[in-house]
Amino acid sequence: EIVMTQSPATLSVSPGERATLSCRASQSVSSNLAWYQQKPGQAPRLLIYGASTRATGIPARFSGSGSGTEFTLTISSLQSEDFAVYYCQQYNNWPPLFTFGPGTKVDIK
Amino acid sequence: QVQLVQSGAEVKKPGASVKVSCKASGYTFTSYYMHWVRQAPGQGLEWMGIINPSGGSTSYAQKFQGRVTMTRDTSTSTVYMELSSLRSEDTAVYYCASSPKMALHLFDYWGQGTLVTVSS
Repeated sequence: EIVMTQSPATLSVSPGERATLSCRASQSVSSNLAWYQQKPGQAPRLLIYGASTRATGIPARFSGSGSGTEFTLTISSLQSEDFAVYYCQQYNNWPPLFTFGPGTKVDIK
Repeated sequence: QVQLVQSGAEVKKPGASVKVSCKASGYTFTSYYMHWVRQAPGQGLEWMGIINPSGGSTSYAQKFQGRVTMTRDTSTSTVYMELSSLRSEDTAVYYCASSPKMALHLFDYWGQGTLVTVSS
């Protein structure tokens, strides 16, 4: 079983600053890694898949990198609407298996 | 536009079953797989399983094997998730999310969520 961990649990950032979120897999997941954003009371939204490909409509300030076991989500200049919880997810399409990390909360400093 | 509309909140007693629906519109129902993901209060996301609305085939996370059943009704473009032998730990918001057939990892559209509360 692949276990996903994320750090830090909470990241306090000022608007306009850069935020760097980390995700680690207990074993290699190649580039089968996605990032989701979730705001309070809302469903998650897909941001990044394939470790670095932005989903449709996602602003360029969101970028993903990494492969194997270490991944990073970078938000280059935080906007007010970016304060949320971010989850990484490893995936295996067949047989289907999807595992989320515990999340990183990005809040206002 | 694509919409996934889920059924309303449920309150169940321990040991009971719950059946949550997810009605799809705005796309060809059989062209997208449907996942179920749950989130306990204040907790993270947990993938439960997936159904192919075209043929009805399913794949469940090991944790839920034997307790979850996912079905679909193509005449109404609706998928269902039934969870049995409910316990307090099953209290959560349950989401459906669609994925293209050739890219099951793209959870691109989500329902609004259904709160299931298990309490005696």
